Amino acid sequence: EAGVVQSPRYKIIEKKQPVAFWCNPISGHNTLYWYLQNLGQGPELLIRYENEEAVDDSQLPKDRFSAERLKGVDSTLKIQPAELGDSAVYLCASSSNRGGLNEQFFGPGTRLTVL
Amino acid sequence: AQRVTQPEKLLSVFKGAPVELKCNYSYSGSPELFWYVQYSRQRLQLLLRHISRESIKGFTADLNKGETSFHLKKPFAQEEDSAMYYCAPLGATGTYKYIFGTGTRLKVLA
Repeated sequence: EAGVVQSPRYKIIEKKQPVAFWCNPISGHNTLYWYLQNLGQGPELLIRYENEEAVDDSQLPKDRFSAERLKGVDSTLKIQPAELGDSAVYLCASSSNRGGLNEQFFGPGTRLTVL
Repeated sequence: AQRVTQPEKLLSVFKGAPVELKCNYSYSGSPELFWYVQYSRQRLQLLLRHISRESIKGFTADLNKGETSFHLKKPFAQEEDSAMYYCAPLGATGTYKYIFGTGTRLKVLA
């Protein structure tokens, strides 16, 4: 089992450029999460998907951030245009939520640096 | 407002000493409580959950609803326990929304 896969692992871009992150959750996990983790902070939820539906995107800055999970499997998070303050680690997680276990499995994250 | 407080950013203890990582939460309803851990160069992963009442790697956590606390404890710290620890209440059933604390870095000194 590969676990949650994210790519790229690192990304360096100049401000105002677009950037996209990709996540493939654990097979069979219907719930997918994108988190933002700033230095010295805990992860903060950006968006949660149940299958292909975004059921909680209240924390997603919709003026520049967008996400999709078209077939209810892998997902893409995009920032356009990127700002200096977007430099952070972007984490993807998935869970099955079967049996009430509620455990989330995290990917390795994508470290974004905006210059 | 829902809030999680981990008052210590860094906790250093000597090997073999007891360790307690504090977590206080302010949450509506009855959240489910979790501790997640991130070892150096590894992914964030679940350490334990209060509902299981289990001991994982010698760690236990007691939910105190009166004090709204969920402190993580281990009687004898080991060097391999050095990591970043996050307390994470999970919202009411069906929302599956974690709010992570800011984390405590535990350093176990030889």
